[in-house]
Formats: sequence, C-alpha cells, structure tokens
Amino acid sequence: DTAVSQTPKYLVTQMGNDKSIKCEQNLGHDTMYWYKQDSKKFLKIMFSYNNKELIINETVPNRFSPKSPDKAHLNLHINSLELGDSAVYFCASSQRDMTTNEKLFFGSGTQLSVL
Amino acid sequence: SQKIEQNSEALNIQEGKTATLTCNYTNYSPAYLQWYRQDPGRGPVFLLLIRENEKEKRKERLKVTFDTTLKQSLFHITASQPADSATYLCALAPRYALNFGKGTSLLVTP
Repeated sequence: DTAVSQTPKYLVTQMGNDKSIKCEQNLGHDTMYWYKQDSKKFLKIMFSYNNKELIINETVPNRFSPKSPDKAHLNLHINSLELGDSAVYFCASSQRDMTTNEKLFFGSGTQLSVL
Repeated sequence: SQKIEQNSEALNIQEGKTATLTCNYTNYSPAYLQWYRQDPGRGPVFLLLIRENEKEKRKERLKVTFDTTLKQSLFHITASQPADSATYLCALAPRYALNFGKGTSLLVTP
C-alpha cells in the first residue's frame, strides 16, 4: 500500500549508458515531480507534470527526459550518463499543483551511481 | 535570486530540551511555508504548513512561526527525543513546485 513507489532503489552504471527510473503513485494525485538531491543534500526540482502535461522543466540537460504515460506514473529516462549525474533522485506527488496549498508525498529515492 | 537559507551546521541538543531551527528566505513572497523531515535513506516527509496570515501553528510537540516581515520561519521541537534526530527542511512554492532549503541536521542525545 505504498503511496509513492519508485524503482530501482539503487542503480549503478557506467558513464555513457542510458537508464530509466520508474515512479508510480496510488494516491489519485494530479501532479507528479522529479527532484534531484546531490551529495550536499540539496534537493532541487527537475520536472513537474500535472495531468500528464509538463509544467516545469528547471534547466535540466536534454539528456533527461521525463515521460508520463498516465496520471499515476512519471518515469525518468537519462541518456549518456555522466559522472555528475550521480545523486539520489526522488519522485513526489501532490493532490494538485503548487498554486494551492499542497503538500508533497515523496518516494524513497533512487541512488544513482555513475562510474 | 531567490534563496532559502537554513543553518548548515548540525544542531546538537540534549534530550528534553527545545530545539529551534531557523529558515530565512529572500526574494520570495510566499503564501505559505512548509516544513519536512528527512531521515537517512528516505524521502522527505511533510510535517507542517503555515500560511502567510498565520503567526504560529502547532502540532503535538512541534511549533512553527512565520514572520513575513522578517522573512523568517522558526521551527521548534519541545521536549525533544532521540527519535527526533533527522534533517529538517524548509520549503516555499514560488510557482508550480516546492523549493527547498538545504536543511538542518538535528541530533538529540540522551
């Protein structure tokens, strides 16, 4: 009965590879997000989707491509992985977008290590 | 540019004392401010939301204040317990997503 689930939990890969992280929420929320938390623990917004439509893309390299097949899923595909992509990636959801007083529900994170 | 600043140094306090964490922001005009808790290896968990017209909000041993003139929020944990040890994040929503501060690590020792 996990609210926001993301897989895999750990991802270790070589530079140059392409990888995907999957996220699903069973809360019936309209809005989903991807955040990146770097080694200094700074949590930064990457993308936001509302009802499957992209509403935020925060100066993220084109190698990162989110895809939302339906309202409950937001996957993150990363091409040509670089060392600097190593971080923890968090998926999150909210009932509606942040123009109202919404709280975020986070997944448990995916630790990506690029070697 | 917009900034959310929290004490980057860890806060160590003794069990039973009150922990006070600070969040300062610049170049935001937030309608509300949120606080989250993050444990190692986990995603942040929502704790409290306070609106701009609220001076103070309480939930059990937690208390949050919000001063839009000072552009500051204070987060208090009274009668702290070792289980309160975690990183606490302050967050604001300028538009369509929450922006987070870097968090303050709290360690409560018995």
